[in-house]
Amino acid sequence: DVKVTQSSRYLVKRTGEKVFLECVQDMDHENMFWYRQDPGLGLRLIYFSYDVKMKEKGDIPEGYSVSREKKERFSLILESASTNQTSMYLCASSTQRRGTGELFFGEGSRLTVL
Amino acid sequence: AQKITQTQPGMFVQEKEAVTLDCTYDTSDQSYGLFWYKQPSSGEMIFLIYQGSYDEQNATEGRYSLNFQKARKSANLVISASQLGDSAMYFCAMREVLSGSARQLTFGSGTQLTVLP
Repeated sequence: DVKVTQSSRYLVKRTGEKVFLECVQDMDHENMFWYRQDPGLGLRLIYFSYDVKMKEKGDIPEGYSVSREKKERFSLILESASTNQTSMYLCASSTQRRGTGELFFGEGSRLTVL
Repeated sequence: AQKITQTQPGMFVQEKEAVTLDCTYDTSDQSYGLFWYKQPSSGEMIFLIYQGSYDEQNATEGRYSLNFQKARKSANLVISASQLGDSAMYFCAMREVLSGSARQLTFGSGTQLTVLP
């Protein structure tokens, strides 16, 4: 089974702090994604990566950056957290080599910025 | 314009009855895929069912079926014989093969389904 693991289920940070959200997948997927989930808005794509060191902006990249130094790991970085970044963050991975290309998700990281 | 529209923020269904969750989509691609995910209160996203735009038959997976009406651009999820464990948030999503990135999914705002005993 595909396993996508997010480093923290719950985080509380203060405005202005730097925040790292880590995600690791164990199925050799080439694609990895960071989504943000807010009530009434569904999931919105922040960034994705289709290869090591490659990244592309999603719909809401402002205030975020990402890093993919190894194929299995994709990190989301909030350089200076703000209260409007309080949200649930979902990491996902996928492959286009087989199957339907569905996304496999981690359990989510709920971030609160005070 | 919204690419995926789920017009039902919340739905209630009696246990053992069938329920339909609505999803309409907007794309100019001829080749695309439609997905449904379930998110229980625990938070994990569970993939339920997939329909390709060229699939002639509606997709089915156990108690889940996808009512695909291409001309109407709708991809409704039908859950038969609802169970208490079906209570969750349900998301419809689309991947556009040509005009959008072929890798990412665009999600709707979700429908919160509550199954009543």
